[in-house]
Amino acid sequence: QKEVEQDPGPLSVPEGAIVSLNCTYSNSAFQYFMWYRQYSRKGPELLMYTYSSGNKEDGRFTAQVDKSSKYISLFIRDSQPSDSATYLCAMKPGGYNKLIFGAGTRLAVHP
Amino acid sequence: KAGVTQTPRYLIKTRGQQVTLSCSPISGHRSVSWYQQTPGQGLQFLFEYFSETQRNKGNFPGRFSGRQFSNSRSEMNVSTLELGDSALYLCASSLGGGSENIQYFGAGTRLSVL
Repeated sequence: QKEVEQDPGPLSVPEGAIVSLNCTYSNSAFQYFMWYRQYSRKGPELLMYTYSSGNKEDGRFTAQVDKSSKYISLFIRDSQPSDSATYLCAMKPGGYNKLIFGAGTRLAVHP
Repeated sequence: KAGVTQTPRYLIKTRGQQVTLSCSPISGHRSVSWYQQTPGQGLQFLFEYFSETQRNKGNFPGRFSGRQFSNSRSEMNVSTLELGDSALYLCASSLGGGSENIQYFGAGTRLSVL
């Protein structure tokens, strides 16, 4: 079983929809949680960064971490065609720089 | 501020050859991590260098090695290439000092082994 599970999709939504992306994990030592966006043939771009449990909002993006359930989410409001990409969750324990990634969810937002 | 720069962007090699990839981190960043991305295995951690020392290592064979120079630039070497080494190799840099260490990725080097 993988340390981080993420549904690879693909997920197809109409423009303007609210998108929910999720990851579950098994290692209770994870303290730092990230969401990266990766366009085709590009490197991952950091979207959201959260330490421990709680919510964080940045524009149309909201990240949630529930450490008791070992579950993290990324919500995208008013989705745009330019949001079409692969979204990767990543996490790590404190004191280490080794990120453990989910498989990535491929999102397509159609006009 | 310039981002993480990886060179070359594309490489084609044949089995048995060796290859060296280069990564220039964001100015002021002292940690460089390397990852391999494949369709089957996703993104997997190779190793991390901080202040010219390997600080963490993933589960890859000894054919994969790296080093870091005094200016924080890093190189990754793969010897005796196998077909399965075809992948996107990503470099990420971070400040490196504390626990937080947000990692920023380069565009990657796409390696094809024929």
